[in-house]
Amino acid sequence: AIRITQSPSSLSASTGDRVTITCRASQGISSYLAWYQQKPGKAPKLLIYAASTLQSGVPSRFSGSGSGTDFTLTISCLQSEDFATYYCQQYYSYPWAFGQGTKVEIK
Amino acid sequence: QITLKESGPTLVKPTQTLTLTCTFSGFSLSTSGVGVGWIRQPPGKALEWLALIYWDDDKRYSPSLKSRLTITKDTSKNQVVLTMTNMDPVDTATYYCAHRGAAGLFDPWGQGTLVTVSS
Repeated sequence: AIRITQSPSSLSASTGDRVTITCRASQGISSYLAWYQQKPGKAPKLLIYAASTLQSGVPSRFSGSGSGTDFTLTISCLQSEDFATYYCQQYYSYPWAFGQGTKVEIK
Repeated sequence: QITLKESGPTLVKPTQTLTLTCTFSGFSLSTSGVGVGWIRQPPGKALEWLALIYWDDDKRYSPSLKSRLTITKDTSKNQVVLTMTNMDPVDTATYYCAHRGAAGLFDPWGQGTLVTVSS
């Protein structure tokens, strides 16, 4: 099974900051990686798929990059509504797997 | 508009079998490429993929839970059912169902249902 290592597990940032979250797959997954945002008590929401394709309606301050084993989610200018937990997910092969999550907190 | 909603017991006893139903609207599970998956999240922990069923009745399971899981669909009722046998307190979690669309991703998700395993 492909393992996904996500880092950091948490970070503190201020509104307006640029934030970067990374995911590393234990083997190549091409571009079959998605990013989700989850707010407390809510279901995850799809942000990015195919490593870099922004889901419809998602603000352009979110971007994704990478292929193969190393991937990055960047929030270019953190807004108050972006404080949440972010998960990556590989869907290259079964079993699909999620990263351990990154909690973005207010500094 | 695609919507999904999970239903089932909120409390089960250890060793019992859990049956959860995902009732959806806005898509058909007879459409090529479409699927419905189940994902769970223990309190304060990460997401865990459990199972996925496709329009053609292809089924995929998490290897670590495969012996305990069964996923089925009722296309006429727009429902997907997940059963998990031999429940344990470590299975306490919020269980989500989600639509798997053409891009291959889970979008959207249901609101989730918290299942507590306790005697």
